Amino acid sequence: GQNIDQPTEMTATEGAIVQINCTYQTSGFNGLFWYQQHAGEAPTFLSYNVLDGLEEKGRFSSFLSRSKGYSYLLLKELQMKDSASYLCAAMDSNYQLIWGAGTKLIIKP
Amino acid sequence: DTAVSQTPKYLVTQMGNDKSIKCEQNLGHDTMYWYKQDSKKFLKIMFSYNNKELIINETVPNRFSPKSPDKAHLNLHINSLELGDSAVYFCASSQVGGTGGEKLFFGSGTQLSVL
Repeated sequence: GQNIDQPTEMTATEGAIVQINCTYQTSGFNGLFWYQQHAGEAPTFLSYNVLDGLEEKGRFSSFLSRSKGYSYLLLKELQMKDSASYLCAAMDSNYQLIWGAGTKLIIKP
Repeated sequence: DTAVSQTPKYLVTQMGNDKSIKCEQNLGHDTMYWYKQDSKKFLKIMFSYNNKELIINETVPNRFSPKSPDKAHLNLHINSLELGDSAVYFCASSQVGGTGGEKLFFGSGTQLSVL
């Protein structure tokens, strides 16, 4: 079956760095997405990786290893506003998104 | 202007009632979706429309019926509501029919509570 695994919850300190991991098993693969979802709000797009390697976008970076079925989202210089859930989603061979349950990130002062 | 707008934001109703959720996007996208997010926060796709034609219809009860009068609108009608239908429903749109890295733009969600 198709599956996405990511930690349920993580805690980090303001100003620090945190890495949120995601492993996936899909029938075929057409890329991996990360979305941010604040409580009570809609998910918003953060990143898309389809090739192996690191994509950097300001304070956020996303990494993909297709051979390992693994991705991570790296958040630097954490701010209180980064407290949110981070959703990992993999696109299968039918171009359908398989979503993880999200990682709730708590930032402490 | 809001890119993807859905109404209502909150919907509280009794079991057995029929209700509709409306969605409109002004991004000129070809594809629109309905997602259900349950209490465990999993996002599950329900329907997808590409240029007014249904291209995905996951195994949802036929009490749920999407209607797309044009490619900017995708409404969701639910008949005979059940307790298990309580969830947050998100409308979303994307530029192409999900054939690659096209990102989704989500509406603000409709919190449906069935009593």
